[in-house]
Amino acid sequence: GQNIDQPTEMTATEGAIVQINCTYQTSGFNGLFWYQQHAGEAPTFLSYNVLDGLEEKGRFSSFLSRSKGYSYLLLKELQMKDSASYLCAVVDSNYQLIWGAGTKLIIKP
Amino acid sequence: GAVVSQHPSRVICKSGTSVKIECRSLDFQATTMFWYRQFPKKSLMLMATSNEGSKATYEQGVEKDKFLINHASLTLSTLTVTSAHPEDSSFYICSARPGTTDYNEQFFGPGTRLTVL
Repeated sequence: GQNIDQPTEMTATEGAIVQINCTYQTSGFNGLFWYQQHAGEAPTFLSYNVLDGLEEKGRFSSFLSRSKGYSYLLLKELQMKDSASYLCAVVDSNYQLIWGAGTKLIIKP
Repeated sequence: GAVVSQHPSRVICKSGTSVKIECRSLDFQATTMFWYRQFPKKSLMLMATSNEGSKATYEQGVEKDKFLINHASLTLSTLTVTSAHPEDSSFYICSARPGTTDYNEQFFGPGTRLTVL
């Protein structure tokens, strides 16, 4: 079966750095997305990785290791507005998005 | 660019009625549109995939006669929840995928919160 694992909840302090991990087992791989979702809102795109390595975009970075079936999202200089759920999604061999359950990130002052 | 709208944003209806939700890609042509539902504190659950001009492909366990999907044009897809019941209350989100991207990004609408009384 297809499976995406990410922690259910994480807590971090404003101004700090947090890393959200995602491991996956899917039938084929055509890329991995990270989305941010605030409560009651639709997901918004953060990053896309299809090759191994680190992609940096401002305060957010995303890393992929295809051989390990592993990705992480790194958030730096955390702000209160970063409190949200972070969804990891993998594009499988049929070009379908397989979604993780999401990681709820709580930022404390 | 790549804006997707959804209408209505919120709907409350009586049990037994039908509700139609529209999903529009405003500034691009969407060859494929997706319909998801999401329960509180849960991840997105794909209901169906629709390609313009053809029948939708429903995920296992999703009743096609209850959730009617029409993708009549490259910018519009509709989801009709027929004979809605309280258990159909959920957050419904559509997304659209342009035919031109080579990395399969989906652009999400703002979602529709359906409450069936």
